[in-house]
Amino acid sequence: AQTVTQSQPEMSVQEAETVTLSCTYDTSESDYYLFWYKQPPSRQMILVIRQEAYKQQNATENRFSVNFQKAAKSFSLKISDSQLGDAAMYFCAYTLQNSGNTPLVFGKGTRLSVIA
Amino acid sequence: GAVVSQHPSRVICKSGTSVKIECRSLDFQATTMFWYRQFPKQSLMLMATSNEGSKATYEQGVEKDKFLINHASLTLSTLTVTSAHPEDSSFYICSARDFGGAGEQFFGPGTRLTVL
Repeated sequence: AQTVTQSQPEMSVQEAETVTLSCTYDTSESDYYLFWYKQPPSRQMILVIRQEAYKQQNATENRFSVNFQKAAKSFSLKISDSQLGDAAMYFCAYTLQNSGNTPLVFGKGTRLSVIA
Repeated sequence: GAVVSQHPSRVICKSGTSVKIECRSLDFQATTMFWYRQFPKQSLMLMATSNEGSKATYEQGVEKDKFLINHASLTLSTLTVTSAHPEDSSFYICSARDFGGAGEQFFGPGTRLTVL
């Protein structure tokens, strides 16, 4: 079974600084997707960034980027120029590619605090 | 991105009553929707996979007779909590995967259920 591990229950970062959230996963599949979702206090799940496993290039979305190491099964999220609005729970997630009925497998989450 | 609505956003009911939660994909068709439960400060726990026109697939430990799922159309899935008890109080979130998309799931805003 696939598993996702986030080893940092809580992290904090100074405003305007950079922080990296860790995620590792375990799978025997070769084709899959990885995601980072953000859950602010409103509890609405928001997609931050997506990575297709077949792509070697790391995904980037403005201030958010990932370090995807397929062989190491590692998928970390880097947030640059942190803003107060980045404070939230961040969940790393995995799902199989090309399988519409496969659910997301979530890590336990990392609570990020941003210090002004 | 695709939009998923969920209704109601908040419900309070008496013990022993039943509560129905609706999940709708507003601008895409979803043959599969997912229902999650989230306890405070914890990750999302998959309850069941809802398949249009067929029976839902429940995760181990989830009582299918208590949490009734109906996926009557390509845009609507409902979760009914039958004979609710205080221990059923939780935050329930639905999601849908746009099969034509890139694997991400789109989440509803969630429903906070409080059973008195």
